[in-house]
Amino acid sequence: DTAVSQTPKYLVTQMGNDKSIKCEQNLGHDTMYWYKQDSKKFLKIMFSYNNKELIINETVPNRFSPKSPDKAHLNLHINSLELGDSAVYFCASSQRRTATNEKLFFGSGTQLSVL
Amino acid sequence: ELKVEQNPLFLSMQEGKNYTIYCNYSTTSDRLYWYRQDPGKSLESLFVLLSNGAVKQEGRLMASLDTKARLSTLHITAAVHDLSATYFCAVDRTNFGNEKLTFGTGTRLTIIP
Repeated sequence: DTAVSQTPKYLVTQMGNDKSIKCEQNLGHDTMYWYKQDSKKFLKIMFSYNNKELIINETVPNRFSPKSPDKAHLNLHINSLELGDSAVYFCASSQRRTATNEKLFFGSGTQLSVL
Repeated sequence: ELKVEQNPLFLSMQEGKNYTIYCNYSTTSDRLYWYRQDPGKSLESLFVLLSNGAVKQEGRLMASLDTKARLSTLHITAAVHDLSATYFCAVDRTNFGNEKLTFGTGTRLTIIP
């Protein structure tokens, strides 16, 4: 069983389109994240949700809208796609606690190519 | 703003050799993570270091943390081909878990037979 699964794995689309990436975790974790990895492999957090509540929004354009219908799901919707949105998007989850050594569990990534 | 720098960015080494990857960060934190990413794959957690002087070892990899120097090292002993991957360190900005992890630039390690 995949712990953090995201779909699709590859997404090729034209500029201006709207697309969604889905993420589900079966680990019972409270917190889910979206990370973006650019072509230089630099990883940066985009959003974090805890129990369906947004807790981090790291200056991401408002064309990106995360949606968490329940704590096991965090989907990412992107409007009006731009060339610069091309990247690999990783979903992740963890158990949020203070004084914790919990690690992030990552999904397999969605490679988005905007043409 | 927290900055996390790794060096080297690229490392090519022969099997059987030892080497160290360095991770420096710019602000106080007591929590540092190491992750591994194989080409085209996801990230896998390797180590979580929670206090000054922490040392963790798994197989040929050993990670340590010096919070006073704001430095973590990932030491590779007698490298084997299977260790070829990109290694990331990540620092927690808030000391409240994973919520504000800042990742380093990554070190792409290639082990040559």
